[in-house]
Amino acid sequence: AQSVTQLGSHVSVSEGALVLLRCNYSSSVPPYLFWYVQYPNQGLQLLLKYTSAATLVKGINGFEAEFKKSETSFHLTKPSAHMSDAAEYFCAVSKSSNTDKLIFGTGTRLQVFP
Amino acid sequence: GAVVSQHPSWVICKSGTSVKIECRSLDFQATTMFWYRQFPKQSLMLMATSNEGSKATYEQGVEKDKFLINHASLTLSTLTVTSAHPEDSSFYICSARIPGLVPETQYFGPGTRLLVL
Repeated sequence: AQSVTQLGSHVSVSEGALVLLRCNYSSSVPPYLFWYVQYPNQGLQLLLKYTSAATLVKGINGFEAEFKKSETSFHLTKPSAHMSDAAEYFCAVSKSSNTDKLIFGTGTRLQVFP
Repeated sequence: GAVVSQHPSWVICKSGTSVKIECRSLDFQATTMFWYRQFPKQSLMLMATSNEGSKATYEQGVEKDKFLINHASLTLSTLTVTSAHPEDSSFYICSARIPGLVPETQYFGPGTRLLVL
């Protein structure tokens, strides 16, 4: 069985500060891991995905995530937050790279203060 | 621009009535569409997977007679909540898998909020 845990339902940072959103996974098979972002009144869109190639994955909008098997983690980071980064972020795990059967975390709402 | 749209974006209905939610793939042909529901402060839960022209595959615990899914074309899937009750109030989200579109991922609609009184 697979599962995802996102620590912290809300994260607040100042503009320009480091963004760190945590995600831990559980999987009995090598996992495929994803981060999605949801802006108000829009559908979830893919930020980045890990598919067993490089452990450090770079995504859109300056975000990146590092797959750490020993820690079963896939934390999302961005060096410098921008006001436009305020959104809901979801971590997800799947057994396949084509994103079928996605198992989602409960999401983390990121607030960015000026 | 948006790849997948949903209609309506929100709906309020009386208990016992049926509600239909549309999910459209805009400008692309979607071989597979997915339906999720999300309760407040909880994660998206997959309800069913549908392929064009065939019956939907429902996840364990999801009543197929309660949540009717029709995927009549490569650009349209509908979810009908039959005889809705207050406990069906939730946020319903659809997504589509579109072969050949990069990045390879599910493309999500903006969701439909259902409130059953």
